[in-house]
Amino acid sequence: ELKVEQNPLFLSMQEGKNYTIYCNYSTTSDRLYWYRQDPGKSLESLFVLLSNGAVKQEGRLMASLDTKARLSTLHITAAVHDLSATYFCAVDMRRDDKIIFGKGTRLHILP
Amino acid sequence: DAGITQSPRYKITETGRQVTLMCHQTWSHSYMFWYRQDLGHGLRLIYYSAAADITDKGEVPDGYVVSRSKTENFPLTLESATRSQTSVYFCASSDGTENTEAFFGQGTRLTVV
Repeated sequence: ELKVEQNPLFLSMQEGKNYTIYCNYSTTSDRLYWYRQDPGKSLESLFVLLSNGAVKQEGRLMASLDTKARLSTLHITAAVHDLSATYFCAVDMRRDDKIIFGKGTRLHILP
Repeated sequence: DAGITQSPRYKITETGRQVTLMCHQTWSHSYMFWYRQDLGHGLRLIYYSAAADITDKGEVPDGYVVSRSKTENFPLTLESATRSQTSVYFCASSDGTENTEAFFGQGTRLTVV
């Protein structure tokens, strides 16, 4: 059974600092997604990672995928308050037609 | 409007009642999913569907029923609502192609009293 674990689950950090959110999963995956959710809102797609070594960047966020280690990271560079949100990773198991989410990382960036 | 829509956005129901949450997408995506979101649990998969007339259980299917007679609709029914089913429910769809993620509806906040 696929397990997706994120850590930390909660992160409070100062503006201007760098930090990384980790996403570990238990079985071979076809692809991995990162989503953002603001309070009371739906989920917004950030990145789609398809293959080993994939790296994608958008602004202060960079996501990477290591399929051998079954690990994805979401790195935040020089955090700003607007990045405060909950971030989810999700593993897409196409052979089973399902997408399983981690519990999310609630990120709070202090001004 | 194009996209994925859920209805109702908010629902209060009584314990034991049957309630159906609707999900409609206009993209003709093959894959559709239902998740529930609860504090401390993230999003948990209830049911999913790879195509019309094909559905399968996810992580937490007990107490729920789905159907998919048409590609664009994927209703979720709580046959006899319980307080533990109070949650925010999200529907999502995906076309299954390599570089495409799942897209989410706005969610339905369900309260069972």
